[in-house]
Amino acid sequence: EAQVTQNPRYLITVTGKKLTVTCSQNMNHEYMSWYRQDPGLGLRQIYYSMNVEVTDKGDVPEGYKVSRKEKRNFPLILESPSPNQTSLYFCASSTRGGNYNEQFFGPGTRLTVL
Amino acid sequence: AQSVTQLDSQVPVFEEAPVELRCNYSSSVSVYLFWYVQYPNQGLQLLLKYLSGSTLVESINGFEAEFNKSQTSFHLRKPSVHISDTAEYFCAVSVKAAGNKLTFGGGTRVLVKP
Repeated sequence: EAQVTQNPRYLITVTGKKLTVTCSQNMNHEYMSWYRQDPGLGLRQIYYSMNVEVTDKGDVPEGYKVSRKEKRNFPLILESPSPNQTSLYFCASSTRGGNYNEQFFGPGTRLTVL
Repeated sequence: AQSVTQLDSQVPVFEEAPVELRCNYSSSVSVYLFWYVQYPNQGLQLLLKYLSGSTLVESINGFEAEFNKSQTSFHLRKPSVHISDTAEYFCAVSVKAAGNKLTFGGGTRVLVKP
């Protein structure tokens, strides 16, 4: 089954404790992206990757890091989480030309930073 | 830069009644337009998209949206909703010239009542 998976689905942590949210896709997509969803603000892009070893900042990159060592994986790293990073996070992937092709979304990771 | 405004944050509607979700965008260049749907506790799924050609686009489950260039709108409609249409709906745009970036509106939560 073609899908984007994220782990963990739910995470409660404390300020300053480094964490990683994993994202994996099995569709051989070149493009992958991370979004955060906050009430009334829709989804905002954090980082994206056009292909292996190619990453770039989205609209809200502060406090986040990413890496793309393999085509299928695109982990999101919070080196020192803060309460304002409490949010619902989505990973997405698409083929090259994803501005007109469908983006496939993972099920989401709900993060709470205390 | 482009932006998307969804004018209604919540729309309560009775089963079998029609519904319209409003979406307006701003962009200085040509765009592609999308509606994504998020069912409770799930990721986003593509509902329909406008790339070019006929300004009226339809989905397989009875939704339709009409691109109006002069009013920079892409409103979503369904003539008769079902309980299963209860979800949050996001309008999104991408710029034809630039990568895969999607810009989302704030979302409209549709609650279908029996």
